[in-house]
Amino acid sequence: SQKIEQNSEALNIQEGKTATLTCNYTNYSPAYLQWYRQDPGRGPVFLLLIRENEKEKRKERLKVTFDTTLKQSLFHITASQPADSATYLCALFDSGTYKYIFGTGTRLKVLA
Amino acid sequence: DTEVTQTPKHLVMGMTNKKSLKCEQHMGHRAMYWYKQKAKKPPELMFVYSYEKLSINESVPSRFSPECPNSSLLNLHLHALQPEDSALYLCASSQVPLWQKQETQYFGPGTRLLVL
Repeated sequence: SQKIEQNSEALNIQEGKTATLTCNYTNYSPAYLQWYRQDPGRGPVFLLLIRENEKEKRKERLKVTFDTTLKQSLFHITASQPADSATYLCALFDSGTYKYIFGTGTRLKVLA
Repeated sequence: DTEVTQTPKHLVMGMTNKKSLKCEQHMGHRAMYWYKQKAKKPPELMFVYSYEKLSINESVPSRFSPECPNSSLLNLHLHALQPEDSALYLCASSQVPLWQKQETQYFGPGTRLLVL
C-alpha cells in the first residue's frame, strides 16, 4: 500500500537543541517533497521544497535532506525555540499517480 | 500579496441546510484546491481546479459541489451534509497546477465547519 509516515505523532525537545523530524514514504515516486508548518486551527504554511535530484536544502535554521534510496526525508530545526512549536507536515507529489499527498504530521513542542 | 482568504471562519449548519464556503486569491494563480482536514489528521485533497476547470475530484460525495466562477474565486457548496463532514476546510492555490511545475501551495486559514 502507499503511505507517508512521519516519525512520531508528538516530539518534545528542550530549547536550543536540534529537532529532527522524519518522513518515510513507500510505493511513491516523488518528483519533489515539501515541508509545511501548521499551527492549531490554521492552514499549513510552506517552509521548504526539495527535488528528487537534490540531497540537501537549507533556509536559516531549517535543513531538509532527501534520500530517494532510503525513501526518506529528514527535517532539522537547529537552535530550536518555543515559537517553533507546531505541527510539521511533509507532502509529496507522486509522479506515478499525479497525486499530492500529505504525511501524518509530527507535533513538535519545544520546552523552555 | 501572498494571501488566500476564506469566509466564513466558522460555520454551524444543520443536515438540511444549504451553505457555501468561499475562497479568494489575488496572486494570479491558475490552480486552486479544496482540502478537508479532520482533527489531528493531515489535509486530504478533495478537488482541484486548474485554469478554472475542474481537473480532479477525489471521489467526493455529491453533497459537496465545487464552483470556480473566475480565476480568483473558488466556492464549495454544501447541501445535506452529515455530522461526519464536520472538519476544517482548507482552500489553497498555486501558480500553475502541481503536475505542471514544482510548485508551492498557499493555504488559506480554513473554515471550521460543524454539522449538527
